[in-house]
Amino acid sequence: DTAVSQTPKYLVTQMGNDKSIKCEQNLGHDTMYWYKQDSKKFLKIMFSYNNKELIINETVPNRFSPKSPDKAHLNLHINSLELGDSAVYFCASTQDSSGNTIYFGEGSWLTVV
Amino acid sequence: AQSVAQPEDQVNVAEGNPLTVKCTYSVSGNPYLFWYVQYPNRGLQFLLKYITGDNLVKGSYGFEAEFNKSQTSFHLKKPSALVSDSALYFCAVRETGGSYIPTFGRGTSLIVHP
Repeated sequence: DTAVSQTPKYLVTQMGNDKSIKCEQNLGHDTMYWYKQDSKKFLKIMFSYNNKELIINETVPNRFSPKSPDKAHLNLHINSLELGDSAVYFCASTQDSSGNTIYFGEGSWLTVV
Repeated sequence: AQSVAQPEDQVNVAEGNPLTVKCTYSVSGNPYLFWYVQYPNRGLQFLLKYITGDNLVKGSYGFEAEFNKSQTSFHLKKPSALVSDSALYFCAVRETGGSYIPTFGRGTSLIVHP
């Protein structure tokens, strides 16, 4: 069983569309994250949720809205997609907010055309 | 503030030779240090971490890293490289007592030649 699973793995969409990426972890972790990896492989934290509550929002445009229906799920909704949103988005989790080992999903490759 | 630097974009090594991937860091207090590996089209996987204790840390797939406080470094090493070690390696650091979110380096591409 995949510990952190995210869908879809690949997504190609047009500018202006709205899309969602879903993430689920079966590790029983309390804290979940969204990271963005750009074309140069630079990895940047976007959001962090602890037990369904937002604890970190790193200057991400309002078009990005995370939603955590329960502590095992953290979905990412993106409105009005722009070309610059093209990237790989990784969901991740840690045991709690001070957890040291991050478990990453396999990534979602978003291409905006 | 915390930061981490991986000075090499790419490291090339022949199979069977030892490899080193460099990482230096900057934190206000004591660091927690990590190495992750990313294979093509995959997510990052945890390799090893230094929290406290022995400066030499052993991790997955035969990798190890040495914490050097005076040089603020945490270089990743392996005695004998395999072609299958070819991947992107990320060093990360977080301060103890600060934000629990680590800062990742820009990654170093390791290429092991047969």
